[in-house]
Amino acid sequence: AQSVTQLGSHVSVSEGALVLLRCNYSSSVPPYLFWYVQYPNQGLQLLLKYTSAATLVKGINGFEAEFKKSETSFHLTKPSAHMSDAAEYFCAVSVGELTGGGNKLTFGTGTQLKVEL
Amino acid sequence: DAGVTQSPTHLIKTRGQHVTLRCSPISGHKSVSWYQQVLGQGPQFIFQYYEKEERGRGNFPDRFSARQFPNYSSELNVNALLLGDSALYLCASSLGPDGSSGNTIYFGEGSWLTVV
Repeated sequence: AQSVTQLGSHVSVSEGALVLLRCNYSSSVPPYLFWYVQYPNQGLQLLLKYTSAATLVKGINGFEAEFKKSETSFHLTKPSAHMSDAAEYFCAVSVGELTGGGNKLTFGTGTQLKVEL
Repeated sequence: DAGVTQSPTHLIKTRGQHVTLRCSPISGHKSVSWYQQVLGQGPQFIFQYYEKEERGRGNFPDRFSARQFPNYSSELNVNALLLGDSALYLCASSLGPDGSSGNTIYFGEGSWLTVV
């Protein structure tokens, strides 16, 4: 079975500062990894995904994440935080159809990002 | 193009009642999945349907059931509602059956269920 651990349920940064949200995964087979963002009272929006191509993945709104197999990590970064980045961020893992995982996403518990002036 | 649409957006039910939630996937998408998100937690997988067949089931009691129709829309049914069923129910759709490179998974805005 696969799982995701997000370190830090709340992260606070100043506007313009680096954003770093941590995600570690556990999977017995090569995983697909995702970051989603959720704004208050809304659904989930995909930021980026890793599907075994390039290990550095660029997403929307200036976010990127690097897949590090040796560290089983997929941390999300953004060089300069903006007030509009304040939201909850979820890391998720999937193992795909061929390994019996289908479309099932296993989510972490989320990290609430606060951006201060 | 319309995204994943869910209805109703909000509803209040009494313990013991039954609820039906509906989802229309993005046009052309054949896979629909359902997730439950309790306040303060990450979404939990309930079901996946692909080409009208159940492809996966999460750790939920038999009170939860779902189906997919020929037009690929889907319903989630919950019987004998408990207070703990209060949550945001999210529907997700994708072209193919898994999260591989060409298959992005899109979520709807969700249905907020409150059980009193």
